[in-house]
Amino acid sequence: SQKIEQNSEALNIQEGKTATLTCNYTNYSPAYLQWYRQDPGRGPVFLLLIRENEKEKRKERLKVTFDTTLKQSLFHITASQPADSATYLCALDMRSGGNKLVFGAGTILRVKS
Amino acid sequence: DTAVSQTPKYLVTQMGNDKSIKCEQNLGHDTMYWYKQDSKKFLKIMFSYNNKELIINETVPNRFSPKSPDKAHLNLHINSLELGDSAVYFCASSRRTSGYNEQFFGPGTRLTVL
Repeated sequence: SQKIEQNSEALNIQEGKTATLTCNYTNYSPAYLQWYRQDPGRGPVFLLLIRENEKEKRKERLKVTFDTTLKQSLFHITASQPADSATYLCALDMRSGGNKLVFGAGTILRVKS
Repeated sequence: DTAVSQTPKYLVTQMGNDKSIKCEQNLGHDTMYWYKQDSKKFLKIMFSYNNKELIINETVPNRFSPKSPDKAHLNLHINSLELGDSAVYFCASSRRTSGYNEQFFGPGTRLTVL
């Protein structure tokens, strides 16, 4: 069966450390993978997109890797800040079938000062 | 400037009623979506319209009917509401021709069916 899994437990880290979030999937072949941030009571906000032929993508303190052999994406936030506390969602970007995004359940990140 | 807006933000209603949620985007996007986020926080696609044409219709009860009067609007009408329809409904939009498909989400409508 098709599954997309993110760290089920909340991730608690100290300010200034690097947060690493994991997204694993089975029985999907996404052309792209996206990461979103969701704050309580708000809609998801797009952060980064990585293509299947890209190994790594960076944007300011954010870095995403995409390994289509392992069927895994890692999302890193360096020099984390309390303002980074939120739920982070990975989404498989299935270009066939109308640009459908298949979301994971998300990982709650808490950065403590 | 609101990019994707939804009304109402909260909707509390009785089982069996019919209700509508409205969505508008001012980003000039050509594709709009409805997602449902349940209590376990899974965000699942329900429908997608591209230039007013339905292109994604997931396994959703036919009590749910989307309507797109123009490219900037996608409304969701729900008939005979059931307890299990309680969730947060998000509208989103994207520019399909951009090649990137990053989606812009509205603030959500929290529907509670009593």
